[in-house]
Amino acid sequence: ELKVEQNPLFLSMQEGKNYTIYCNYSTTSDRLYWYRQDPGKSLESLFVLLSNGAVKQEGRLMASLDTKARLSTLHITAAVHDLSATYFCAVKTNSGYALNFGKGTSLLVTP
Amino acid sequence: DAGVIQSPRHEVTEMGQEVTLRCKPISGHDYLFWYRQTMMRGLELLIYFNNNVPIDDSGMPEDRFSAKMPNASFSTLKIQPSEPRDSAVYFCASSLGTLLAKNIQYFGAGTRLSVL
Repeated sequence: ELKVEQNPLFLSMQEGKNYTIYCNYSTTSDRLYWYRQDPGKSLESLFVLLSNGAVKQEGRLMASLDTKARLSTLHITAAVHDLSATYFCAVKTNSGYALNFGKGTSLLVTP
Repeated sequence: DAGVIQSPRHEVTEMGQEVTLRCKPISGHDYLFWYRQTMMRGLELLIYFNNNVPIDDSGMPEDRFSAKMPNASFSTLKIQPSEPRDSAVYFCASSLGTLLAKNIQYFGAGTRLSVL
């Protein structure tokens, strides 16, 4: 069974600081996704990573994938309050199109 | 496109009642997914369809849950009878299963279900 673990689960950080969220998964996969969820809202797709060494950047967020280590990171640069949300990584199973989601990382950016 | 549309947005019902959740996927998408989100268990896949056919229902908790997709633009998730432990947010998502689309799943706004 494909397991997806994120850490940390909770993160409080000051504006302007940098931090990294980690996503480990237990079996090989050819796709990894990052989603954002604001409180009481739906999930919004941020990135999809398809190959080893893939790096995607959007604003202050940068995601990378190391398929050999089965690890993805979401790096936050110079955090701002608007980035406060819960971030999920999700890994596609090799046997179909289902996604296994991590528990999510709740990020709070404070002044 | 209006995105994935779910109804109702909120549902409050009493234990033992039947509950039906509805989903309209993005036009042209050939995959439809039902998820349940709770604080304890996180986001769980319940079932997904491809071209209206159920592909994997291994996440459906028990026989009280059933899902149908009678056509490409409509799906239902039914709980009968409902129990308090079914209280959760239920999300529907759809995707296009092509390499170019990368199978990104687009989520609806969710239905918040409370079973008293």
